[in-house]
Amino acid sequence: AQKVTQAQTEISVVEKEDVTLDCVYETRDTTYYLFWYKQPPSGELVFLIRRNSFDEQNEISGRYSWNFQKSTSSFNFTITASQVVDSAVYFCALSDYGGATNKLIFGTGTLLAVQP
Amino acid sequence: EAEVAQSPRYKITEKSQAVAFWCDPISGHATLYWYRQILGQGPELLVQFQDESVVDDSQLPKDRFSAERLKGVDSTLKIQPAELGDSAMYLCASSLGWGLQGEQYFGPGTRLTVT
Repeated sequence: AQKVTQAQTEISVVEKEDVTLDCVYETRDTTYYLFWYKQPPSGELVFLIRRNSFDEQNEISGRYSWNFQKSTSSFNFTITASQVVDSAVYFCALSDYGGATNKLIFGTGTLLAVQP
Repeated sequence: EAEVAQSPRYKITEKSQAVAFWCDPISGHATLYWYRQILGQGPELLVQFQDESVVDDSQLPKDRFSAERLKGVDSTLKIQPAELGDSAMYLCASSLGWGLQGEQYFGPGTRLTVT
């Protein structure tokens, strides 16, 4: 069965600190996608990144970076020099690749609070 | 930028009443999803449509929930009768397809409170 675990329920940092959000996944599929979404207080889920299981290269986008390690089934997300606007709940998600459905399996989310 | 539209944004209803939510996906997106997000948890898929056909409704409580996408465009999710445990955020998402085209875009959600 597919499963996503975000062990960190809440993280609080002070502005400009770096913060890493952990994500561990379980799947029997050899091909799959991993995602990160941001959910601000308004409730809308904002897509941040998609990574397929063939591509283990780390990715950087501005202050955001992602570390995908297939050997440990982890897909961690780092925010560098955090800002108050980064405060939100962050979800890691998993979906199969080319399967019968395309549903996202979400973790329980990590609430990030960035204090000024 | 194209967005997924949902209405209403907030709904308060009494137990045993009927309630309906509407979703209009991004134009051209063939795949539409309804997710339910209980407070403090991640979203969970209720139903997935490909055009007007249901692809997956295995987690939809069919005794009280129904979903339709008659013309393969917008969709309605209905609950009848509503129960206290249905209080949650209902999120609609759409994608061009799946696999390489499976990037899902989410609407703002409908927050349902059942009293």
